[in-house]
Amino acid sequence: ELKVEQNPLFLSMQEGKNYTIYCNYSTTSDRLYWYRQDPGKSLESLFVLLSNGAVKQEGRLMASLDTKARLSTLHITAAVHDLSATYFCAVDGRAQPDKLIFGTGTRLQVFP
Amino acid sequence: NAGVTQTPKFRILKIGQSMTLQCTQDMNHNYMYWYRQDPGMGLKLIYYSVGAGITDKGEVPNGYNVSRSTTEDFPLRLELAAPSQTSVYFCASSLDGSYEQYFGPGTRLTVT
Repeated sequence: ELKVEQNPLFLSMQEGKNYTIYCNYSTTSDRLYWYRQDPGKSLESLFVLLSNGAVKQEGRLMASLDTKARLSTLHITAAVHDLSATYFCAVDGRAQPDKLIFGTGTRLQVFP
Repeated sequence: NAGVTQTPKFRILKIGQSMTLQCTQDMNHNYMYWYRQDPGMGLKLIYYSVGAGITDKGEVPNGYNVSRSTTEDFPLRLELAAPSQTSVYFCASSLDGSYEQYFGPGTRLTVT
């Protein structure tokens, strides 16, 4: 059974600092997704990572995928308040294609 | 494009009542999904469809039914509502299984 774990679950960080959110998954997968959710809102797609070594960047966020280690990271550079949200990774296991399994999310708060 | 739309936005049901959550997408996407999100948790897949007339179970299908008679619509039926079905329900669509999913605004359901 595919399991997806994120850590930390909660992250409080100061503006201007850097930090990394980790997403580990338990079975073979070639596809990993990162989503953002603002409180009380729907999910917004951030990144789609489709191969080992894939790296994507958008603004202050950069995501990478290591399929051998079954690990994805979401790196935040010089955090700003607008990045405060919950971030989810989701994985599509080879044994269960088309079924995304979501992590429990990392709630990020950025303070001045 | 309206994207993915869901109705209703909010609903309160009594135990044992039934209802249908509506989901429509106008992006001509083949794949559609229903998720539930319990407080402070990630999303869990209820049912999904890879095209009109084709549906399959996700992680948590018990107590729900779906149908997909058109590409655009993917309604979720709750029969005999139970308090355990209190949750926020999200519908999503994607072009195919390897593309990002686009989420609707959600339906907040309370069963009392």
